[in-house]
Amino acid sequence: GAGVSQSPSNKVTEKGKDVELRCDPISGHTALYWYRQSLGQGLEFLIYFQGNSAPDKSGLPSDRFSAERTGGSVSTLTIQRTQQEDSAVYLCASSSYSTGTGVEQYFGPGTRLTVT
Amino acid sequence: KNQVEQSPQSLIILEGKNCTLQCNYTVSPFSNLRWYKQDTGRGPVSLTIMTFSENTKSNGRYTATLDADTKQSSLHITASQLSDSASYICVVSATGGSYIPTFGRGTSLIVHP
Repeated sequence: GAGVSQSPSNKVTEKGKDVELRCDPISGHTALYWYRQSLGQGLEFLIYFQGNSAPDKSGLPSDRFSAERTGGSVSTLTIQRTQQEDSAVYLCASSSYSTGTGVEQYFGPGTRLTVT
Repeated sequence: KNQVEQSPQSLIILEGKNCTLQCNYTVSPFSNLRWYKQDTGRGPVSLTIMTFSENTKSNGRYTATLDADTKQSSLHITASQLSDSASYICVVSATGGSYIPTFGRGTSLIVHP
């Protein structure tokens, strides 16, 4: 079946503009994660959605970052007033179980964001 | 603080050769350890998962080992191929309800013909 998809694959924006990144998880997966991967760095956790529970936003680096997950499926990560340090690859992953530990996360191809 | 350290940071080998990548972690209490392969421009894909009681697990030419006492893992690649060129990421999860794993920075492997 279809894997996790993300759009756009690449996004170039000017400093100060808002951007929206989209993630379509694998159908039926209840858990959805957003990560940020900067050059030479490990994946940085941003936010976690599980079913209808309140999301874990503990990884969001500032209040310029927000995310929604509508209908328990598609998720949108929004970055307001982008800064150059926001340039990175934003990865989305989904998994099928509620706890997440021990369960494989399936990753999308990522969105490469460049802020000029 | 939970941490995962990988070495080397990068590695270049000739096609057909073997190599071993290392992962040391301080994640506690330990639940499981995964090795992911990330091709350029793609998302990570799981290669193996190991729990506390497992010492070795193979997936084709990839063999992962785990020493839970010393908190070390290795990924051995046999008879490397050009398609093995990628970043290999060690990811460790803790028990106790934490659903956010700890990621290493990865080892960048380049296989030359």
